[in-house]
Amino acid sequence: DQQVKQNSPSLSVQEGRISILNCDYTNSMFDYFLWYKKYPAEGPTFLISISSIKDKNEDGRFTVFLNKSAKHLSLHIVPSQPGDSAVYFCAASGYTGNQFYFGTGTSLTVIP
Amino acid sequence: KAGVTQTPRYLIKTRGQQVTLSCSPISGHRSVSWYQQTPGQGLQFLFEYFSETQRNKGNFPGRFSGRQFSNSRSEMNVSTLELGDSALYLCASSPDGPPREQYFGPGTRLTVT
Repeated sequence: DQQVKQNSPSLSVQEGRISILNCDYTNSMFDYFLWYKKYPAEGPTFLISISSIKDKNEDGRFTVFLNKSAKHLSLHIVPSQPGDSAVYFCAASGYTGNQFYFGTGTSLTVIP
Repeated sequence: KAGVTQTPRYLIKTRGQQVTLSCSPISGHRSVSWYQQTPGQGLQFLFEYFSETQRNKGNFPGRFSGRQFSNSRSEMNVSTLELGDSALYLCASSPDGPPREQYFGPGTRLTVT
């Protein structure tokens, strides 16, 4: 049972525009969320996190929004750059250690 | 600080054999988690070790086991390998505390023939 879902397998965006990647979850006990970026043949690289006590967290060009009532989070990248082209994963965990559930990923392509 | 390291990076094994993978976490991190990544299933949580104790376990058969040493290094073992065990095995370490950011190693690519 997929508790974390990324329903868009791929996304293409023009350089300089906003990229919005979406993630839905089903378990209301999840209260900590992470976004990762992954290049082929490498491990995922941590990007940004958010806990359930917040609805927004920013780090440079990356902003994560959390809508707990909708069980939905999104990652905004502004402005998008060609180097952002990668697969992006969202992950979620309850407050019981580090067991994270991952989505299946969204492949982002930023077109120069 | 040095990142998470995993050895070996690539392995080819025959069905029925066993394999041991190794992970060295970031210095000071005591939590080590293991994940299996396959094209069809994405990243699936295997287990987490904290201070030499298994703290969380995913839904994998008992053929998958692990351990953690006093220096926080961790090993994962898969016995009686099956073709379906072919995957990228990722290790991640985290600092102490409640759920925190996990930092991943490059992974071990296991191919079972």
